[in-house]
Amino acid sequence: NFMLTQPHSVSESPGKTVTISCTRSSGSIASNYVQWYQQRPGSSPTTVIYEDNQRPSGVPDRFSGSIDSSSNSASLTISGLKTEDEADYYCQSYDSSNHGVFGGGTKLTVL
Amino acid sequence: QVQLVESGGGVVQPGRSLRLSCAASGFTFSSYGMHWVRQAPGKGLEWVAVISYDGSNKYYADSVKGRFTISRDNSKNTLYLQMNSLRAEDTAVYYCAKALVLYSSSSDTNYYYGMDVWGQGTTVTVSS
Repeated sequence: NFMLTQPHSVSESPGKTVTISCTRSSGSIASNYVQWYQQRPGSSPTTVIYEDNQRPSGVPDRFSGSIDSSSNSASLTISGLKTEDEADYYCQSYDSSNHGVFGGGTKLTVL
Repeated sequence: QVQLVESGGGVVQPGRSLRLSCAASGFTFSSYGMHWVRQAPGKGLEWVAVISYDGSNKYYADSVKGRFTISRDNSKNTLYLQMNSLRAEDTAVYYCAKALVLYSSSSDTNYYYGMDVWGQGTTVTVSS
């Protein structure tokens, strides 16, 4: 099995761009789709990116996802930051045994 | 619209059992796999289990295997999680989520690779 490692926290100012990384410990990041979930305080998670870089309907195009095989990591980029983007963000993938794997989560502060 | 509503949470003593339910609406429940995911107080998300659309395939996290059972009743559009031999470390908010599914022809396997829509969660507290 592998692990997904995220930074504990990131912060940026409104209107700026922030990128959250998610590094896979073993095996190729490109082998299995990566999803990203947003969880605002006191709320359940919502999906903001699926299949590495796809946005569900209703998610603004300020949110984008990518993978980088050279660093074996996935990234979530949020541009034009708004205060409403302040939340915890989790990356997630799965293994060959159909077990879900979550990253530890990143707290985004928009200050 | 797709809606998932969990219920059945509560306070239970260590070693006892509890059954969670997740009522689905707004989509063809019998066509989709379903996940359970939990979140301990102040902690991150932890995947618990997933079940195929027809209940024929089930997969569990090592932390709950042998104690928890995922099941579904497609006639009632309801997902279940039977939790036995509960421990303090099972204390968490439990979410059900509609699965994203990918079929691999090379391995003839459906991979439940992610979560599409999430419920609001139900809280389980294991304490004496």
